[in-house]
Amino acid sequence: KAGVTQTPRYLIKTRGQQVTLSCSPISGHRSVSWYQQTPGQGLQFLFEYFSETQRNKGNFPGRFSGRQFSNSRSEMNVSTLELGDSALYLCASSTWTGANEQFFGPGTRLTVL
Amino acid sequence: GESVGLHLPTLSVQEGDNSIINCAYSNSASDYFIWYKQESGKGPQFIIDIRSNMDKRQGQRVTVLLNKTVKHLSLQIAATQPGDSAVYFCAETHSTLTFGKGTMLLVSP
Repeated sequence: KAGVTQTPRYLIKTRGQQVTLSCSPISGHRSVSWYQQTPGQGLQFLFEYFSETQRNKGNFPGRFSGRQFSNSRSEMNVSTLELGDSALYLCASSTWTGANEQFFGPGTRLTVL
Repeated sequence: GESVGLHLPTLSVQEGDNSIINCAYSNSASDYFIWYKQESGKGPQFIIDIRSNMDKRQGQRVTVLLNKTVKHLSLQIAATQPGDSAVYFCAETHSTLTFGKGTMLLVSP
């Protein structure tokens, strides 16, 4: 079974731009969660989608948004990029929502200049 | 282990030693716990999990211990190998995963 895939793997943007990241979950997984990883803050939860609905949301500004499609693929968008948005963005999928094992993709490394 | 920013706590061991990585969690309502391993340039990789109705669970070369009284989790790795070198995260969840700051494990041959 193929693992979680994320595209692109690397991205360089400038302040003020917007960016869209994509995540394809493991086949059969219906829950997709997004995390931001930085050296200063560690791994922080952004949001979770299950059956095309946002189930949970972390403490991030409204510039961070996401969506899930009927095939469970998910995208996250960051608008009006700031330097502090530079991070590794990780996507994780699981069979169900709530307390169960999550499988992570390799991440998208976003650099904001 | 606690950490601040880039200064991850580091555990250095020799190949063949047993390693113990500790984690304090914060939410007494958390009912599911996971240990992840993250190698440089990769996403976190699942190692072992444990539910709150258990206090010990064993996998291949790894054991997780849960002490709910003091909200403490530990990961024991037997016969540590150089390939075990990575950052290890504990994560707790009641509805969403909350990660600890991580511990770097360095294994010398």
